[in-house]
Amino acid sequence: EPEVTQTPSHQVTQMGQEVILRCVPISNHLYFYWYRQILGQKVEFLVSFYNNEISEKSEIFDDQFSVERPDGSNFTLKIRSTKLEDSAMYFCASSPQGTGNNQPQHFGDGTRLSIL
Amino acid sequence: GDSVTQMEGPVTLSEEAFLTINCTYTATGYPSLFWYVQYPGEGLQLLLKATKADDKGSNKGFEATYRKETTSFHLEKGSVQVSDSAVYFCALNSRGGADGLTFGKGTHLIIQP
Repeated sequence: EPEVTQTPSHQVTQMGQEVILRCVPISNHLYFYWYRQILGQKVEFLVSFYNNEISEKSEIFDDQFSVERPDGSNFTLKIRSTKLEDSAMYFCASSPQGTGNNQPQHFGDGTRLSIL
Repeated sequence: GDSVTQMEGPVTLSEEAFLTINCTYTATGYPSLFWYVQYPGEGLQLLLKATKADDKGSNKGFEATYRKETTSFHLEKGSVQVSDSAVYFCALNSRGGADGLTFGKGTHLIIQP
């Protein structure tokens, strides 16, 4: 069964540095998402992406964050000038259509980001 | 705004016990409701879903019924196994399109042999 893959599984970065988290969504999916889960807290929506542009973003997704689909397969989340509170598990997801059509989102295994 | 409330964990049960994990929600309109499961070291997997009132989602022996009158979507299983040990997340989407899911905090389920 096709799956969403994320790399790396664990990223350790110094505070203030930039980090890029990578995701390969399922190949025929059209909608892409990033979520984060701070340790012990709930999974929080960051951003959704469709047709090469951001479709929706949460309050968390400020100017520090950006997303890109640089080619036909990758979907990246860039975090500039990282802060300690950016430490979290980051999940990528994709769906064949938007969830308004009741298509579920398929999640990757996540990237654990640790900011030192 | 939208929100999902789940019972606090961990929930510890013996094998073959009956399971209920409560989930209630607040949302605008008529949300779609989901249960996701996260096994140790893995990502979130869709367990089941329901898209309108009175729908029952089911998978792998788990069931949940969309109750609009009580704004609930409780997860149940008649006889749990050790392999069901995981974190279970209730989630909703209320506006459709490419919107993100709103998750509950998750309930850690531990099944003892």
